[in-house]
Amino acid sequence: DADVTQTPRNRITKTGKRIMLECSQTKGHDRMYWYRQDPGLGLRLIYYSFDVKDINKGEISDGYSVSRQAQAKFSLSLESAIPNQTALYFCATKGTGRLGEQFFGPGTRLTVL
Amino acid sequence: DAKTTQPNSMESNEEEPVHLPCNHSTISGTDYIHWYRQLPSQGPEYVIHGLTSNVNNRMASLAIAEDRKSSTLILHRATLRDAAVYYCILPPITDKLIFGTGTRLQVFP
Repeated sequence: DADVTQTPRNRITKTGKRIMLECSQTKGHDRMYWYRQDPGLGLRLIYYSFDVKDINKGEISDGYSVSRQAQAKFSLSLESAIPNQTALYFCATKGTGRLGEQFFGPGTRLTVL
Repeated sequence: DAKTTQPNSMESNEEEPVHLPCNHSTISGTDYIHWYRQLPSQGPEYVIHGLTSNVNNRMASLAIAEDRKSSTLILHRATLRDAAVYYCILPPITDKLIFGTGTRLQVFP
């Protein structure tokens, strides 16, 4: 089984709809991250969480919110989706400490019409 | 946070060595150098990291300049599966990984 799973893997929605992307991990890591990737560009950090009670904004948090329901679960919500939020979204986890590697999920491809 | 600079793209033939450069002239003494790669249609995956000394693992080698202002990821024998975008990252103490646009490596048979 994959260490980091994301659901759904693909989603098409309409402008104005509320969307939730879910991420689960079995690595026992405290740190979880949400990134978005646009075609031809690198990953940009949306939100990150160092534990259940710690949520931090990344580079591009406007239009997004997150919920850390448990150590293993970190959800990303688009309260009112807009077309320029069409992108590939990745969740990642990491153990404590700067040397640890980040483990990424397979990604969710979101299309907002 | 220290910034990294990488070429946009590089090409290689299969079974040849590949040297992927990264400049990080503003690196601090405590900054580690991490490399990740992203295969097509997948999330990024960790490749290797180092501080001062050269490092080897099953995937690649990392050569770090003596002044630490640059580093080179070395793939000893490129395969078609190594075609990916390679990211050079200096994780800050805040643990916010910043991925730039990386180097897109094309491998030709």
